[in-house]
Amino acid sequence: QITLKESGPTLVKPTQTLTLTCTCSGFSLSTSGVGVAWIRQPPGKAREWLAVIYWDDDKRYSPSLKSRLTITKDTSKNQVVLTMTNMDPVDTATYYCAHGAGGDPFYFDFWGQGALVTVSS
Amino acid sequence: QSVLTQPPSVSGAPGQRVTISCTGSSSNIGAGYHVHWYQQLPGTAPKLLIYGNSNRPSGVPDRFSGSKSGTSASLAITGLQAEDEADYYCQSYDSSHWVFGGGTKLTVL
Repeated sequence: QITLKESGPTLVKPTQTLTLTCTCSGFSLSTSGVGVAWIRQPPGKAREWLAVIYWDDDKRYSPSLKSRLTITKDTSKNQVVLTMTNMDPVDTATYYCAHGAGGDPFYFDFWGQGALVTVSS
Repeated sequence: QSVLTQPPSVSGAPGQRVTISCTGSSSNIGAGYHVHWYQQLPGTAPKLLIYGNSNRPSGVPDRFSGSKSGTSASLAITGLQAEDEADYYCQSYDSSHWVFGGGTKLTVL
């Protein structure tokens, strides 16, 4: 049974850096073909893909946010970490991590419950 | 504005059939990339409903079906049930990044 769970702060101030952790179970981040993505959804707005990391440590980022994002993994803890710098109120959103399946490009067969992050002073 | 366009809402009575469209372009759906569909009930994690345009994961009722043609795709739900009331999202791929539709709220009357 694959599960993912997001954790991190619920409130960050403008200009601060957000760090979110996705704790994965039911699969190994080091298994060939595995990928985990971060996706967000601002209130009342569309979902937006942010970044993905693959089993071989290959990484891809949303072109519009690339300069602010870093995705890493810790295979010993089976966790994926996303950092986003220079947070702004427009970054207020529910942030999801999701397991990629079906080969590249993935679809996302398992999702976490999401973590609501509010950016406000 | 989403790269993939969905109607904001659709509705239907129990037992009816509804369809939700997902319109893209030549750089995503029209380029041959697959379309996938997700269902999200209030307060729950998104659930994969259709993958690879028309395939259902294990456990998804055959009341749900997907299709793709040209630069568009559709999700059809037959025999509508109250439990189908949810938000539905399409997803594809475009120029090295993943793209989503804006979501469609299905109301069961």
